Amino acid sequence: QQQVKQSPQSLIVQKGGISIINCAYENTAFDYFPWYQQFPGKGPALLIAIRPDVSEKKEGRFTISFNKSAKQFSLHIMDSQPGDSATYFCAVLSSNTGKLIFGQGTTLQVKP
Amino acid sequence: ETGVTQTPRHLVMGMTNKKSLKCEQHLGHNAMYWYKQSAKKPLELMFVYSLEERVENNSVPSRFSPECPNSSHLFLHLHTLQPEDSALYLCASSQWTSADEQYFGPGTRLTVT
Repeated sequence: QQQVKQSPQSLIVQKGGISIINCAYENTAFDYFPWYQQFPGKGPALLIAIRPDVSEKKEGRFTISFNKSAKQFSLHIMDSQPGDSATYFCAVLSSNTGKLIFGQGTTLQVKP
Repeated sequence: ETGVTQTPRHLVMGMTNKKSLKCEQHLGHNAMYWYKQSAKKPLELMFVYSLEERVENNSVPSRFSPECPNSSHLFLHLHTLQPEDSALYLCASSQWTSADEQYFGPGTRLTVT
């Protein structure tokens, strides 16, 4: 069963625009919500993460918004740049199991 | 070398071959993971090792056999694979007490012919 649903599958944004990627999860046992960024030929790299005790976390141009009651969280990339073109994965983790469960990924293309 | 390294980066093998994938982490972590990444699908956790003991085997077929001789090295032994096993195989490591911060290697692109 798919515990994490990510959308959209692909996204094209103009340089300087805002990129928004959404994730929804099904189980309330998760307590860590990371976003990973993957460039072609590279493994995923942790970009930003949030825990459920806060509703928003910002690091530079990247912001996670978290809605615990709706079981949803999203990644916002402000002032998107061509160098942000990559595949983005959301994930959820339960500290009890230590297992990361990933979404299907979103391929972002930022046009110059 | 820094971070997590994987060799080979690319591998083509026939269905009757036996090959091994290697992962090495230089981060002082004590947990290591194998993931499978297929096109249009989420990353799938295959195996987890903590302190060199296997703690997770996610219903992976026996044609995949992991080995963790020490906390820095992880292998994935492959035999009699199927074409649907073609994928990117990713290794990751973390401190077992903070499994949230997993660091990934670049992966091995495996093609089964």
